[in-house]
Amino acid sequence: TQLLEQSPQFLSIQEGENLTVYCNSSSVFSSLQWYRQEPGEGPVLLVTVVTGGEVKKLKRLTFQFGDARKDSSLHITAAQPGDTGLYLCAGARVGTGNQFYFGTGTSLTVIP
Amino acid sequence: GAVVSQHPSRVICKSGTSVKIECRSLDFQATTMFWYRQFPKQSLMLMATSNEGSKATYEQGVEKDKFLINHASLTLSTLTVTSAHPEDSSFYICSASSGRVNTEAFFGQGTRLTVV
Repeated sequence: TQLLEQSPQFLSIQEGENLTVYCNSSSVFSSLQWYRQEPGEGPVLLVTVVTGGEVKKLKRLTFQFGDARKDSSLHITAAQPGDTGLYLCAGARVGTGNQFYFGTGTSLTVIP
Repeated sequence: GAVVSQHPSRVICKSGTSVKIECRSLDFQATTMFWYRQFPKQSLMLMATSNEGSKATYEQGVEKDKFLINHASLTLSTLTVTSAHPEDSSFYICSASSGRVNTEAFFGQGTRLTVV
């Protein structure tokens, strides 16, 4: 059983559409990160959120940390084929420092 | 960002042999390193956390005698898969952190292990 559940698990959309990926848990996290991973490579960090309710924007990507620091969402506006990849959330449980546990992952395909 | 180098990127070994994977932080001191395992189209599963100079802490269900982790210096951690079997075939990824709370952990490129 994984600590963080992501939904949806798979998503295939047309270029230009919007989408939201959810990352949920019953545990509280001191911080939460979002990564994107290409096949055969290590994950690349997109953002770190640490404050409940925090919202961060990275170009067309908007990240939100839940008020209770148990969940997070990633919203992509006007998706591009270059956004295709595996999106992973990862949370550090309170008191564990930088020991991050990864979510179940969301595989996104953006069709031109 | 900081650079973490993982070697080798790919390895094929015979069943019953042991394989060592290295994880190096090239431009910072990594007091803590993490080892993950990833199956195709799945997420990363934390295997163990290693702090420099001390024994690694293994996650539940991970065999410590099977996956030997050594973190002898502030820039190097190694994972040795002992007596490898085909079911050990997987993508192994390390990450390294300076240890300060909420700081970024930097990932290596991963190692694709195939046991034949």
